[in-house]
Amino acid sequence: SAVISQKPSRDICQRGTSLTIQCQVDSQVTMMFWYRQQPGQSLTLIATANQGSEATYESGFVIDKFPISRPNLTFSTLTVSNMSPEDSSIYLCSVGAGAGANVLTFGAGSRLTVL
Amino acid sequence: AQKITQTQPGMFVQEKEAVTLDCTYDTSDPSYGLFWYKQPSSGEMIFLIYQGSYDQQNATEGRYSLNFQKARKSANLVISASQLGDSAMYFCAMREGNTGFQKLVFGTGTRLLVSP
Repeated sequence: SAVISQKPSRDICQRGTSLTIQCQVDSQVTMMFWYRQQPGQSLTLIATANQGSEATYESGFVIDKFPISRPNLTFSTLTVSNMSPEDSSIYLCSVGAGAGANVLTFGAGSRLTVL
Repeated sequence: AQKITQTQPGMFVQEKEAVTLDCTYDTSDPSYGLFWYKQPSSGEMIFLIYQGSYDQQNATEGRYSLNFQKARKSANLVISASQLGDSAMYFCAMREGNTGFQKLVFGTGTRLLVSP
């Protein structure tokens, strides 16, 4: 299955600042997915990053707040803009992998704390 | 309506015993996939097991097996011979359709604690 490197693994940020999370995959993939997990909650899909086109955002998430880049088939970034304490979460990138791409493989996650 | 329901917020099991984590799902799509993931305190999501809606047999992966009851729309995870390292959050998830679009909907999770 694909190996995903995600960084930073954790960070403490100040309110009003922005942070960019990087996701690197060891193989070429068409789609990369960004999830958010708020404290004590389940995972929620933020957006799907497609190479060569704009990311597709889920309901409740907007590009101005979570801009995404996908410059090639192995890399993507998610920026959390103008952060507030409510943005304190684990952010995870993921890709389809395995036979028939049936399995979603996740990076180790980026744990952000906003003060 | 919730698409994935995990009714057990927490479960306790003694080491070496088996434990079942419940998951029910709701979909009208005849083609779907069901997944279980483990999330240790470190935060990473570890894939455990997958069951396709058309699979005739229950999926198994080592100590993990999925008790798939299609008519009841349940996909319970069975962990045999529990180990201390099994203590973690466990999430059930579903992918609807067969477009190759890997968008998963997750349940709220069950925290499993394995005691010596």
